Amino acid sequence: DTGVSQDPRHKITKRGQNVTFRCDPISEHNRLYWYRQTLGQGPEFLTYFQNEAQLEKSRLLSDRFSAERPKGSFSTLEIQRTEQGDSAMYLCASSTDTALSYNEQFFGPGTRLTVL
Amino acid sequence: RKEVEQDPGPFNVPEGATVAFNCTYSNSASQSFFWYRQDCRKEPKLLMSVYSSGNEDGRFTAQLNRASQYISLLIRDSKLSDSATYLCVVRYGGATNKLIFGTGTLLAVQP
Repeated sequence: DTGVSQDPRHKITKRGQNVTFRCDPISEHNRLYWYRQTLGQGPEFLTYFQNEAQLEKSRLLSDRFSAERPKGSFSTLEIQRTEQGDSAMYLCASSTDTALSYNEQFFGPGTRLTVL
Repeated sequence: RKEVEQDPGPFNVPEGATVAFNCTYSNSASQSFFWYRQDCRKEPKLLMSVYSSGNEDGRFTAQLNRASQYISLLIRDSKLSDSATYLCVVRYGGATNKLIFGTGTLLAVQP
């Protein structure tokens, strides 16, 4: 399967614990995005990487959240001191970076986080 | 006010029906427009882009009215397999290319 992959697919944790999610984009996609989706809502943008550089962060990304893409390939999203409000589906997407006005973003299957 | 607004539904329609979804967006600087489909507990997938001239892909027709900041999706001859959530999406442009999603409209096609 050459699509976007995410690991783990499901994570249950207790409030106050730290969690880390991984995203492997489509090979050679240099743009990588993280979104969060809560029940009954559409995905909301969290952050964006162009290669290894994190170029934009949403105000939704509090200081408990950190994302990295150290070698411009896979990315990790860490949430420290989780809260029940962090329960959501965390989606990763990747795209190429061409001269086209829009490069389609391909989404991974998501990591579903439940904070007890 | 949400940046992209949609009627959340659900829309319950019989097989073969025609159903229309509407969406409005608030940022007049929006540059690109899309409909995504999301099956239950799955990731969103691009259904079609929406162009000012309107565009059609088989049973699906999308329309854009920039003056009214309004986007629509028409599905003709609904199939059971069309049951899903349909997300209206805009892109503002600039370097990020980030997508702004509506809440989605749930469609349930009944046999």
